[in-house]
Amino acid sequence: NAGVTQTPKFQVLKTGQSMTLQCAQDMNHEYMSWYRQDPGMGLRLIHYSVGAGITDQGEVPNGYNVSRSTTEDFPLRLLSAAPSQTSVYFCASSSSDRQETQYFGPGTRLLVL
Amino acid sequence: LAKTTQPISMDSYEGQEVNITCSHNNIATNDYITWYQQFPSQGPRFIIQGYKTKVTNEVASLFIPADRKSSTLSLPRVSLSDTAVYYCLVNPLSGSARQLTFGSGTQLTVLP
Repeated sequence: NAGVTQTPKFQVLKTGQSMTLQCAQDMNHEYMSWYRQDPGMGLRLIHYSVGAGITDQGEVPNGYNVSRSTTEDFPLRLLSAAPSQTSVYFCASSSSDRQETQYFGPGTRLLVL
Repeated sequence: LAKTTQPISMDSYEGQEVNITCSHNNIATNDYITWYQQFPSQGPRFIIQGYKTKVTNEVASLFIPADRKSSTLSLPRVSLSDTAVYYCLVNPLSGSARQLTFGSGTQLTVLP
């Protein structure tokens, strides 16, 4: 049981490049979320999903796209990276009846030059 | 959405009990109080959750007064490994993930 996994652990992009941050969970959780964390700050919700085929925007969705084709996977896409997207990205999952208890992945550190 | 207020930082010594208080004056009837712990370069980890009075698990205790406008996370006999950021969240039992808001947290530093 691996829990929530994220790849890559670290990535450097140039402004304008695109990339996909991968997130997978093996706990059969319905809820999955993406957060970003900037230095010295708490986590801010980017996008979330309440089940396969259903996604919605969080607090800071601009510049990011998501999709949820399976229960296990919830990739986050940056279509045209900007320096303001330099951050640490965390994926989380929770069961539908305990969504206040989220399990977080180890994070992806992204640097946009 | 209920907003939370916590101290930015706290220092303690090994073996002491640490109490971190969170204010949430606008907490709603359906809101639960949840605390997370985050170590450097890791994702947050659930510690404890409660609705009223007192909740205790193997890691911590959570004290919630009758008016529920604040809550106190109590860590017994802290060790150096308890140095982390602690987040207080207020969220409804049911609802969307949109309503989970992490504030800036409290940086706890345990000194030898």
